[in-house]
Amino acid sequence: SQKIEQNSEALNIQEGKTATLTCNYTNYSPAYLQWYRQDPGRGPVFLLLIRENEKEKRKERLKVTFDTTLKQSLFHITASQPADSATYLCARPRGAGSYQLTFGKGTKLSVIP
Amino acid sequence: ETGVTQTPRHLVMGMTNKKSLKCEQHLGHNAMYWYKQSAKKPLELMFVYSLEERVENNSVPSRFSPECPNSSHLFLHLHTLQPEDSALYLCASSQDMLPNTEAFFGQGTRLTVV
Repeated sequence: SQKIEQNSEALNIQEGKTATLTCNYTNYSPAYLQWYRQDPGRGPVFLLLIRENEKEKRKERLKVTFDTTLKQSLFHITASQPADSATYLCARPRGAGSYQLTFGKGTKLSVIP
Repeated sequence: ETGVTQTPRHLVMGMTNKKSLKCEQHLGHNAMYWYKQSAKKPLELMFVYSLEERVENNSVPSRFSPECPNSSHLFLHLHTLQPEDSALYLCASSQDMLPNTEAFFGQGTRLTVV
């Protein structure tokens, strides 16, 4: 099955700065990547989906990029706030045409006031 | 709230007990899933149901037994579990079993096996 890696277990940043989280994948480029937010003791909540042919996607203060050359997706939160503190998960299809998702371990973001 | 409700939120059970986890969605979704989330590990897909038919069983031990009586409800029956089965069990649903479909997760059941 295709792998997906979020190399940073944790990331601390100062309030107001831009947080950048990284998701790397192996083998062929997936048709899309999804990003989720998970708060402690709760289920993940869908944030954004970016397709293979989209370089960038935005939603309010969130921006996701998809670089098929680097086999990487970057997730940015601009003007970060303490309320953005959570674990962020990226996910890819398990295989070509698959509806099943393979998730990364997540990156725990802490925004320090 | 995502529209997916799981009960109970917390469960402590002995290795010889039998218990069930319940999941309910009223989003009109056709697909439902059980995931297991252990500490320091990624989410693991356990079972998939589409229109009440089980379509995937990802090598899950038989001590976990799913049931989907209708498209709105999903159960996970537990019996003779091991301490390593302690984890957060998440239910999710999606409109269909198609690529590009986002998943809606419940709050999870925190299971502790003693």
